[in-house]
Amino acid sequence: QSVLTQQPSVSGAPGQRVTISCSGSTSNIGAGYDVNWYQQFPGTAPKLLIYGNNIRPSGVPDRFSGSKSGTSASLAITGLQSEDEADYYCQSYDSSLSGSLFGGGTKLTV
Amino acid sequence: QVQLVQSGVEVKKPGASVKVSCKTSGYTFTNYGISWMRQAPGQGLEWMGWISVSSGSTSYAQHLRDRLTLTADTSTTTAYMELRRLRSDDTAVYYCARANGAFDPWGQGTLVTVSS
Repeated sequence: QSVLTQQPSVSGAPGQRVTISCSGSTSNIGAGYDVNWYQQFPGTAPKLLIYGNNIRPSGVPDRFSGSKSGTSASLAITGLQSEDEADYYCQSYDSSLSGSLFGGGTKLTV
Repeated sequence: QVQLVQSGVEVKKPGASVKVSCKTSGYTFTNYGISWMRQAPGQGLEWMGWISVSSGSTSYAQHLRDRLTLTADTSTTTAYMELRRLRSDDTAVYYCARANGAFDPWGQGTLVTVSS
């Protein structure tokens, strides 16, 4: 099935570490397609946070890191700060759909 | 700097069409594609489609294929998204984004409301 599954919510105290998971299948993440992560604050457009599974664009703090293994990917945030409170989305390409796919999003509460 | 600026709020009746523009600047328009996404109120992101600006080739989400058309005007470095036969569940904020594997940056979004 061509979906990317994220946990709906995650929470952590300031300074802690949290991980957000993105579970896919053999037609998307497991097929070797890159995973990208986006951060979205209420009422604003999403912003690219991680691309190519684990690459941070210029300006993104190194507290954010991405990884990928098999049919899943993860976003880790260390040293949580109150300004990290946002929605996070994973995204990849799916060969069955012949198009891109987003996870359902994870709301981070700090 | 790279910027994508979208057209303004739209209010449409069911069955009508909407065309949203995405004016780009700060980069070579033909070197990247443009993807379109939408986000219904309180919901997650949905990928709608992609256009290769250099070739004009397109890829659409299967469930939108018969109602969606993406175009790009290289003379004005502007991309367009047209959605036809609008329904109430098309009410959403529509986003364009420069596409090169990942989507970056994004336009500010255009609210399209479909209501009788």
